[in-house]
Amino acid sequence: AQSVTQLDSQVPVFEEAPVELRCNYSSSVSVYLFWYVQYPNQGLQLLLKYLSGSTLVKGINGFEAEFNKSQTSFHLRKPSVHISDTAEYFCAVSDRSGRRALTFGSGTRLQVQP
Amino acid sequence: DGGITQSPKYLFRKEGQNVTLSCEQNLNHDAMYWYRQDPGQGLRLIYYSQIVNDFQKGDIAEGYSVSREKKESFPLTVTSAQKNPTAFYLCASSIDGTAQETQYFGPGTRLLVL
Repeated sequence: AQSVTQLDSQVPVFEEAPVELRCNYSSSVSVYLFWYVQYPNQGLQLLLKYLSGSTLVKGINGFEAEFNKSQTSFHLRKPSVHISDTAEYFCAVSDRSGRRALTFGSGTRLQVQP
Repeated sequence: DGGITQSPKYLFRKEGQNVTLSCEQNLNHDAMYWYRQDPGQGLRLIYYSQIVNDFQKGDIAEGYSVSREKKESFPLTVTSAQKNPTAFYLCASSIDGTAQETQYFGPGTRLLVL
């Protein structure tokens, strides 16, 4: 079984400031890692995913994430946020060899202020 | 445009009533999923299906039922046995249900109890 922890339920930040959203996971097997974004009252959209290879993954809208196997983390970063980045962000994992559905964290609400 | 449609956008349930949420996709994806979203809890898997006429229970299947008679359709019934159905329900699909595939989400249905 897997679990995903997003320690920060809310992250307020000013426009053009950098941001990091933290994600840690626990699993007894190898996993794939994902970040999804949800705008208000909408479905989720994939930001980026880590499957293998380089531990730094670049996604859409200027976001990137780094996989750290020893710390079982997959933190999401953006060097300069915009008002339009205000949304809820979900980290998720899937078991490489077992159940193929996603296990999600509880989400982090990013609030970008002018 | 290819995508996932969910209807209705809002649904009201009376005590003891069964209600059905619709999910249709025209992406020609084999796998489909139902998630429940509650505030502060992220998304939890209800049911998933990797092929027509086959589906598996997720983490919170009690009080729900599904069918997969057609590739493009995966309706979810919330039965009277589900005592706390108020939530946002999200349907998703992926190409073949393998663990590394991106899941594409519909816009969601918000279920409220009268």
